[in-house]
Amino acid sequence: QTVVTQEPSLTVSPGGTVTLTCASSTGAVTSGYYPNWFQQKPGQAPRALIYSTSNKHSWTPARFSGSLLGGKAALTLSGVQPEDEAEYYCLLYFGAAYAVFGGGTKLTVL
Amino acid sequence: EVQLVESGGGLVQPGRSLRLSCTASGFTFGDFPMSWVRQAPGKGLEWVGFIRSKPYGGTTEYAASVKGRFTISRDDSKGIAYLQMNSLKTEDTAVYFCTRGDSSSLGYWGQGTLVTVSS
Repeated sequence: QTVVTQEPSLTVSPGGTVTLTCASSTGAVTSGYYPNWFQQKPGQAPRALIYSTSNKHSWTPARFSGSLLGGKAALTLSGVQPEDEAEYYCLLYFGAAYAVFGGGTKLTVL
Repeated sequence: EVQLVESGGGLVQPGRSLRLSCTASGFTFGDFPMSWVRQAPGKGLEWVGFIRSKPYGGTTEYAASVKGRFTISRDDSKGIAYLQMNSLKTEDTAVYFCTRGDSSSLGYWGQGTLVTVSS
């Protein structure tokens, strides 16, 4: 069973920078896993932020960026705003046959 | 404006069936793959499966947890994607979201419909 692992929780100060990561139990994450990132606030549907590692949707704020870092997919928030407090999920695709979400990272802005 | 609206959720007994619908508007439905994602109460997101667009065969892929019990289909003439759920288990209780896309991106999401499996 493939497991995708994220940090359970992170805390960042307003205006600061934080990096969330996404690892696969199968080995290093590459662009071929098409990493996606989503933001979800309580009571709301997820909102897509990043697709195919680093591509932003038209509505994605510029302070969000995606990359590959040390064998993992990464989501970096620069100049964090209070409204960025949310749960963040990554999604990895495995050979077009199935996909797995990470367990989510609860980001606190404090 | 792209809109996805799920319907068909509700309370169902274990072992029974339920069909969810996802009605799309604001884009050419037949050009896009459609996916389903679920979220159990208080838990994280779980990928359920997707259906490719007809030009790509209209074939489907599923998570191991639902394979053989759930079936995704589509009616391009109506702009609707379906999730047929059979042999439901209590652990299938979740909010079910439909989304537009697959590995390329899951950019647009519906608001979800709650399915509760309980006796």
